[in-house]
Amino acid sequence: DTGVSQDPRHKITKRGQNVTFRCDPISEHNRLYWYRQTLGQGPEFLTYFQNEAQLEKSRLLSDRFSAERPKGSFSTLEIQRTEQGDSAMYLCASSHSGTVVVGSYNEQFFGPGTRLTVL
Amino acid sequence: GNSVTQMEGPVTLSEEAFLTINCTYTATGYPSLFWYVQYPGEGLQLLLKATKADDKGSNKGFEATYRKETTSFHLEKGSVQVSDSAVYFCALSEGGGATNKLIFGTGTLLAVQP
Repeated sequence: DTGVSQDPRHKITKRGQNVTFRCDPISEHNRLYWYRQTLGQGPEFLTYFQNEAQLEKSRLLSDRFSAERPKGSFSTLEIQRTEQGDSAMYLCASSHSGTVVVGSYNEQFFGPGTRLTVL
Repeated sequence: GNSVTQMEGPVTLSEEAFLTINCTYTATGYPSLFWYVQYPGEGLQLLLKATKADDKGSNKGFEATYRKETTSFHLEKGSVQVSDSAVYFCALSEGGGATNKLIFGTGTLLAVQP
């Protein structure tokens, strides 16, 4: 399977614990995105990497959240001191960067997500 | 800031019925517009897209036209099937070399009954 993969698919943790999720993008993609989706809502952008550089972070990404992409391949998203409000589906997507022109778009391919439940 | 508003669901239709799911957007500049679909137990998939005004995106019998004058991108299908049952998300991207992050609507659940 050459799609985006995420691990684990499900995580149950107690409040106050740290958790780490992994995303493996499509191998030739240099852009990687993290989104969060809560029940009944659409995904919300968290952060974005081009190669190993983290180029944008949403205000949703509090200082308890940290994301890395050390070699420009897989990425990890860590949440420290989890809270019940962190319960959500965490989605990863990857794309090419491609040609930079107005109106251009390089499709983002999404992984299956990691569902986090904080008790 | 940029935002997407789409019609709330659930939408329940009989097989072969006509489908419309409304989507309007607020954006500066020239966004690209998308419909993503999420089938039960699966990840988000791009259904169709349009990158400039008056473009029509189409795929699997679904269509949507980028209307700049009404800031809309309504999803339509002439005859739905049970297999179309899923959650549909309208989204926009600022594009043009920016982050290309996606801004999603809240999603519309479509249930098609045989």
